[in-house]
Amino acid sequence: RKEVEQDPGPFNVPEGATVAFNCTYSNSASQSFFWYRQDCRKEPKLLMSVYSSGNEDGRFTAQLNRASQYISLLIRDSKLSDSATYLCVVNKGSNDYKLSFGAGTTVTVRA
Amino acid sequence: DTAVSQTPKYLVTQMGNDKSIKCEQNLGHDTMYWYKQDSKKFLKIMFSYNNKELIINETVPNRFSPKSPDKAHLNLHINSLELGDSAVYFCASSQVGLQGSNEQFFGPGTRLTVL
Repeated sequence: RKEVEQDPGPFNVPEGATVAFNCTYSNSASQSFFWYRQDCRKEPKLLMSVYSSGNEDGRFTAQLNRASQYISLLIRDSKLSDSATYLCVVNKGSNDYKLSFGAGTTVTVRA
Repeated sequence: DTAVSQTPKYLVTQMGNDKSIKCEQNLGHDTMYWYKQDSKKFLKIMFSYNNKELIINETVPNRFSPKSPDKAHLNLHINSLELGDSAVYFCASSQVGLQGSNEQFFGPGTRLTVL
């Protein structure tokens, strides 16, 4: 089983729509969770950390479900500029230095 | 102004050659990393150094040798390049905090093509 699994998509949505997707992780000892964004042929950039209580940053909402070992990302009022690949990232157990990256979920927002 | 920089951005070379990629960060972070992103887009950790000490060494062929002359620099030397080494190599840095958070900042990547 992969350490981090994501639906690769693509999710094709119109501007203004809401899109949501999950990722699952295999190591129940993981403590740190993140969503990164990667544009085509660019480096990954941190979108947001995911906290136990869930957190929101503008149009982006992240949730963590430890019991079922998944995290989710919801994007409201999608913009064209939200088109990217979203990488689910989880630390490897208690090792803060080792991050496991999912292969990414591709989102395309159309006009 | 660039936080994490890598050179070169593109590298095209023949099988069997030896090449190096350089990375520098000006964020004052203690930890630096090398990742490989293959054609399937998986980003895999290769090495990590914390204050010039190797702390992560994943299953990587010993043709790959990282070197950290100081905590702001982490270079990657690859001997006897093979076709399967073709990928994008990303350098990253982070400062692991007291809470264990580990936001990593990535360089722009080096696209290596082995012919």
